[in-house]
Amino acid sequence: SQELEQSPQSLIVQEGKNLTINCTSSKTLYGLYWYKQKYGEGLIFLMMLQKGGEEKSHEKITAKLDEKKQQSSLHITASQPSHAGIYLCGAAFNQAGTALIFGKGTTLSVSS
Amino acid sequence: DAGVIQSPRHEVTEMGQEVTLRCKPISGHNSLFWYRQTMMRGLELLIYFNNNVPIDDSGMPEDRFSAKMPNASFSTLKIQPSEPRDSAVYFCASSSYTEAFFGQGTRLTVV
Repeated sequence: SQELEQSPQSLIVQEGKNLTINCTSSKTLYGLYWYKQKYGEGLIFLMMLQKGGEEKSHEKITAKLDEKKQQSSLHITASQPSHAGIYLCGAAFNQAGTALIFGKGTTLSVSS
Repeated sequence: DAGVIQSPRHEVTEMGQEVTLRCKPISGHNSLFWYRQTMMRGLELLIYFNNNVPIDDSGMPEDRFSAKMPNASFSTLKIQPSEPRDSAVYFCASSSYTEAFFGQGTRLTVV
């Protein structure tokens, strides 16, 4: 069974528009990680959230973790073509240093 | 640091052949992970090591798959014999109690 569900599976937005990607866990998370991947390449770390209610931002990307630590959202403001790629959420279900389990990813396309 | 280094980047092999994928983690990292990525199943954890010791190999699909980490700076993932359904991108990642850093992956095609 898939422990992490991402939605939507794919997304096409017009340049300049805002968008949100969701990641939902069936269990309480120790930590939630967001990565970005370009086709054929490795994953690039974006952000890590660990505390309930935590929110982090980097440039135009904001990630939040809900109070119950079972759901996270990734929000991109004023999307650009450079934001296109696959966004994956990964979760640690116990202590730091354990392997991350990933969702299936959200493919984002940004049209200019 | 050069990051996590995987080799080869691409591998094409015939069904039944042995395939060995290699990984050099980031120096000082104590955890190493092997993942497999396909369109259908996404990114799946195969096995992970902590301080060179295999901790969880429940994701290894079959006995045809084996992984070793003889020292802190090297790991291998071996498939013997390979089958067409093993075709995928295999990623190695390493971490030190924080985020995992990924290699560029090995794209394996079994024909």
